[in-house]
Amino acid sequence: EPEVTQTPSHQVTQMGQEVILRCVPISNHLYFYWYRQILGQKVEFLVSFYNNEISEKSEIFDDQFSVERPDGSNFTLKIRSTKLEDSAMYFCASIRESSGGTKQFFGPGTRLTVL
Amino acid sequence: DAKTTQPNSMESNEEEPVHLPCNHSTISGTDYIHWYRQLPSQGPEYVIHGLTSNVNNRMASLAIAEDRKSSTLILHRATLRDAAVYYCILRDVKTSYDKVIFGPGTSLSVIP
Repeated sequence: EPEVTQTPSHQVTQMGQEVILRCVPISNHLYFYWYRQILGQKVEFLVSFYNNEISEKSEIFDDQFSVERPDGSNFTLKIRSTKLEDSAMYFCASIRESSGGTKQFFGPGTRLTVL
Repeated sequence: DAKTTQPNSMESNEEEPVHLPCNHSTISGTDYIHWYRQLPSQGPEYVIHGLTSNVNNRMASLAIAEDRKSSTLILHRATLRDAAVYYCILRDVKTSYDKVIFGPGTSLSVIP
């Protein structure tokens, strides 16, 4: 079965630094998502992206966050100035079409540690 | 999104069937019932979904009550690899851009 891939698997950064988390969604998928999961907590929606623009974002997704699809395959999440509380697992996901009956494919995640 | 209620945790013996319940009394007619699971240190993984009828796939079965206010995910023979957090999620066919809203889920432990 096709897979969503994410790199790196683990990123360590200093507070205040910029980080870019990378995802390669499944090739014929059209809708893309980022989620995060703070250790011991539930998975939280951050942002959805379709047709080269943000379609929906949560309260968590403030001005420090941005997303981009720089080419036909990658989907990135940038955090401009990381804070300690940004430490979490970040999951990318994709689907082919928007429908309540469509399954969402998740990547393995990037563990972000902010020191 | 309509809310679901699941037990916080459940235990099962290996190689026995597991029935994971989910209540969704406020479900609307256009809500699909989805189940995802998250194995330790991994991303969420789709398990199964249905609308009105019971569904089977290679991973599990989904039994949906006639009034659709509850459902049960059935793992026919639990293995150690099935130890995970299982999420019951409602997804409206009309929901914009189809994000998944996760609750706390049910943490399933499988005892050898």
